[in-house]
Amino acid sequence: GENVEQHPSTLSVQEGDSAVIKCTYSDSASNYFPWYKQELGKGPQLIIDIRSNVGEKKDQRIAVTLNKTAKHFSLHITETQPEDSAVYFCAASRGDDKIIFGKGTRLHILP
Amino acid sequence: KAGVTQTPRYLIKTRGQQVTLSCSPISGHRSVSWYQQTPGQGLQFLFEYFSETQRNKGNFPGRFSGRQFSNSRSEMNVSTLELGDSALYLCASRSGGAEDTQYFGPGTRLTVL
Repeated sequence: GENVEQHPSTLSVQEGDSAVIKCTYSDSASNYFPWYKQELGKGPQLIIDIRSNVGEKKDQRIAVTLNKTAKHFSLHITETQPEDSAVYFCAASRGDDKIIFGKGTRLHILP
Repeated sequence: KAGVTQTPRYLIKTRGQQVTLSCSPISGHRSVSWYQQTPGQGLQFLFEYFSETQRNKGNFPGRFSGRQFSNSRSEMNVSTLELGDSALYLCASRSGGAEDTQYFGPGTRLTVL
């Protein structure tokens, strides 16, 4: 069945440095790839998404890249700040099908 | 627009009981999905309802069921609760259309004793 693999499971970066989280998906028909950030005690919050008709999307310090041939997509956070510490989830879906999530990456921003 | 709301936020039940959780989607959204989140298994898809019909289903036993009303509000029911059902249950509202986007509620924390 459909599967989304996410790496790494834990990531620690120095404040101000960049963080990269990578995901691969199995369903070649997937065409929508959202990223969510979950802080303690809260539901996941959509931070950025990309659709298969584009290869890259940027929103201030956050960017997502998509390689449909290799079936992988990545989240890039530049100039990390303490408030970026959270769990990040990638996901993939096609059309009206269910959205499949990766296992999550716990990001720690070190002072 | 108001976001996705879930009630109750916290719930404590004992084994064998049943529980009903409620979700109100973002106004205008006709799709509601339910997820179970546990530390070991991450976000697991339970089911999705669209216009009062179950559109997609995950791999959970029949003890987990749901429904959606004509105003798009949804309820999820778990019968014969087990200790392993302790989790955060998240509801998500989906916009549909060309710019289909899903937004989560704050979740209901269920503890089964």
